[in-house]
Amino acid sequence: EIVMTQSPATLSVSPGEGATLSCRASQSLSSNLAWYQQKPGQAPRLLIYDTSTRATGIPAKFSGSGSGTEFTLTISSLQSEDFAVYYCQQYNNWPPGTFGQGTKVEIK
Amino acid sequence: EVQLLESGGGLVQPGGSLRLSCAASGFTFSNSAMSWVRQAPGKGPEWVSAISDSGRKTYYADSVKGRFTISRDNSKNTLYLQMNSLRAEDTALYYCAKDRLVHDSWGHGTLVTVSS
Repeated sequence: EIVMTQSPATLSVSPGEGATLSCRASQSLSSNLAWYQQKPGQAPRLLIYDTSTRATGIPAKFSGSGSGTEFTLTISSLQSEDFAVYYCQQYNNWPPGTFGQGTKVEIK
Repeated sequence: EVQLLESGGGLVQPGGSLRLSCAASGFTFSNSAMSWVRQAPGKGPEWVSAISDSGRKTYYADSVKGRFTISRDNSKNTLYLQMNSLRAEDTALYYCAKDRLVHDSWGHGTLVTVSS
């Protein structure tokens, strides 16, 4: 089973600033990586799949990059609605599709 | 609009059983693989099980293999998860999610608590 490790666990960001979240896989994933956003009391929401393809309706402020075992989610100009927990998920070696433990983006 | 509505969660004793249901609408259910994903309090999501569009192929996480059974009724647009021999570590919010690999639609979840 592939283990996904996200860093940092918590990221404190001032509104209007950008954020960079990291996700590392224990094995190479090719480009089979997705990112989800989860707000309190809500289900996860798909942001990015295939490393860099935005899901339907996701604004361009969210961008994904990376390959192999190192991946990044970049969020530009954070607004109040962007403060949430973000999870990466691999689906290269499936089953299972494994998730990271999450990065909480909080208001500084 | 895709809608997924889970039901069937509750409090159950260790060793007990529950059957979860997920009513789907807003898309052609019979053309879509489906999954169950759970999330324990304060933890990341954990994929549990998936089923092909026809129902002929099923997949399970090692942690539930032999105890849980996924199924679907395409005539009723409904997904199921039969959970037997439940353990405390199965306590979680269980989500129904569209597709097998990448989940672009999720329900709101149904809470399963395994405790004596």
